[in-house]
Amino acid sequence: DGGITQSPKYLFRKEGQNVTLSCEQNLNHDAMYWYRQDPGQGLRLIYYSQIVNDFQKGDIAEGYSVSREKKESFPLTVTSAQKNPTAFYLCASSTGTASEKLFFGSGTQLSVL
Amino acid sequence: GNSVTQMEGPVTLSEEAFLTINCTYTATGYPSLFWYVQYPGEGLQLLLKATKADDKGSNKGFEATYRKETTSFHLEKGSVQVSDSAVYFCALRVDYKLSFGAGTTVTVRA
Repeated sequence: DGGITQSPKYLFRKEGQNVTLSCEQNLNHDAMYWYRQDPGQGLRLIYYSQIVNDFQKGDIAEGYSVSREKKESFPLTVTSAQKNPTAFYLCASSTGTASEKLFFGSGTQLSVL
Repeated sequence: GNSVTQMEGPVTLSEEAFLTINCTYTATGYPSLFWYVQYPGEGLQLLLKATKADDKGSNKGFEATYRKETTSFHLEKGSVQVSDSAVYFCALRVDYKLSFGAGTTVTVRA
């Protein structure tokens, strides 16, 4: 079955540590996105990528980094510069410019120890 | 910039009651409008969409009409079920960016 896989489901970060969230899709989608979900604040766009080897900052990119070396993969690194990383992170993909439909993964809950 | 404003929750209803969740938007250009639903423990799923003014999106008994004159996309369902308990997100899309509202938690009691 085609879809988006996020891992791990739960992740814990120690102070000063970088952690990487995985997002893989086998939908052959060009565009991929990372959102952060906080209670009462909806979804905020962190980074997005329209095509391999290209990515753009979203609304809250500070403290995060991404790469897009392969079409099917868009990992998100939460760096130590992100002072409030505890949140639910959602990855999504779409076919690209002509698409109006996003497919979402099941999310990763990141917590600080 | 683009933004979406949803009515605040939580909303608690009895089964078979009528549900309305208000959504208004601000956008440059001509956005497409969406409703997503998030069931407990799951990711977001597209519920319905409308791509131009006066379009009506519908799915699973839910409906929403794209009203350009009032910049609104209110979600309605005539008779809710316990299984409709979820968080509902209104969203708009311009180019590559999808902007979401804060979400409205709906709880339906038997």
